[in-house]
Amino acid sequence: DVKVTQSSRYLVKRTGEKVFLECVQDMDHENMFWYRQDPGLGLRLIYFSYDVKMKEKGDIPEGYSVSREKKERFSLILESASTNQTSMYLCASSSPGSNRGYTFGSGTRLTVV
Amino acid sequence: GESVGLHLPTLSVQEGDNSIINCAYSNSASDYFIWYKQESGKGPQFIIDIRSNMDKRQGQRVTVLLNKTVKHLSLQIAATQPGDSAVYFCAENSGYSTLTFGKGTMLLVSP
Repeated sequence: DVKVTQSSRYLVKRTGEKVFLECVQDMDHENMFWYRQDPGLGLRLIYFSYDVKMKEKGDIPEGYSVSREKKERFSLILESASTNQTSMYLCASSSPGSNRGYTFGSGTRLTVV
Repeated sequence: GESVGLHLPTLSVQEGDNSIINCAYSNSASDYFIWYKQESGKGPQFIIDIRSNMDKRQGQRVTVLLNKTVKHLSLQIAATQPGDSAVYFCAENSGYSTLTFGKGTMLLVSP
């Protein structure tokens, strides 16, 4: 069964910590995405990547960075976590021209205290 | 409908009823639309898609209708079951293989 795997379901971090959220897909997809999901705001795109070592800013990149050193892995980095980054983070992948849109991971619920 | 504050629009139905979930999209140039279902504690899952050259597409118990004139998308679920309880999102292809998502509607199905 193909899947997108996010390394943690729940994380609690302190303000100012550097946080790494990891995502791995086994579908050989070129495209990978990071979204955050907040009540009433839906899914908002943070960063995405079309290929290894490539990255593009989404709608809300401030306070985040990403790394894609291998095709199957896309990491989201919070350089200095803040309480307003408490959220559900969803990773997704897709293949160009795919007729099924994205495949999502199960999400990481991050709480910054 | 529009979300208000932190609360999702909610549709409550009885088991066996037909459900209709609506979505207004923003970009008249969007050429591909998807409905996703998100159950509690899980990531969104693909339900059905439709391209802009179609106005209706049917799947198993689900139908998507597209009205490009008013930029409206709807998802119809026939004979709704308790397992259909979830949040439903529409998404539009806004270019560069990225999707823009609606805020979602919560469907609650009572036995």
